[in-house]
Amino acid sequence: DGGITQSPKYLFRKEGQNVTLSCEQNLNHDAMYWYRQDPGQGLRLIYYSQIVNDFQKGDIAEGYSVSREKKESFPLTVTSAQKNPTAFYLCASSMGRPPAADTQYFGPGTRLTVL
Amino acid sequence: AQKVTQAQTEISVVEKEDVTLDCVYETRDTTYYLFWYKQPPSGELVFLIRRNSFDEQNEISGRYSWNFQKSTSSFNFTITASQVVDSAVYFCALSEASGYNKLIFGAGTRLAVHP
Repeated sequence: DGGITQSPKYLFRKEGQNVTLSCEQNLNHDAMYWYRQDPGQGLRLIYYSQIVNDFQKGDIAEGYSVSREKKESFPLTVTSAQKNPTAFYLCASSMGRPPAADTQYFGPGTRLTVL
Repeated sequence: AQKVTQAQTEISVVEKEDVTLDCVYETRDTTYYLFWYKQPPSGELVFLIRRNSFDEQNEISGRYSWNFQKSTSSFNFTITASQVVDSAVYFCALSEASGYNKLIFGAGTRLAVHP
């Protein structure tokens, strides 16, 4: 089945630790995205990647890092510099057609809690 | 500045009632796309519809219908004969041609459908 997988589903982190969230897609999409969702709020863009080996900062990139070494994979690292990392993280992908004419499809999400 | 407003934070209805979720957007672009996503309790965002700024035709898909009015910058979503399975958070989002596929989300409307 084609789709987007994220792991783990739940993640607990001690303060000061870096953690990496996995996102994999087998839809053959060129573009991938990471969003953060806080309770009662909409999603905010952290990073996005249009093609392999290229990525751009979104609105709230501070304290996060990404890599895009393979088309299928776009892992997100939440570093110790992120002051309030407890949130729900959603990964998305899209075909990467010209700006705005593209639909993003989302994975099931990872819920990160800092202890 | 681009913005999406979903003024209804929570709506509660009884099964079989019709319900309309409001979405008002702001943009300076003449080319843009509007989206609706559903987020059930499992957390994954499910794509419902994409509409471009040049197509103001209303759309119907089963019990779902969408009313796009550029004159009032609104893209409202109506569920006819609501069912318990419709209970979810619904997000309206905007993508501008000048913003490379960046989705700007509203804060969401939580719909509770009671038996």
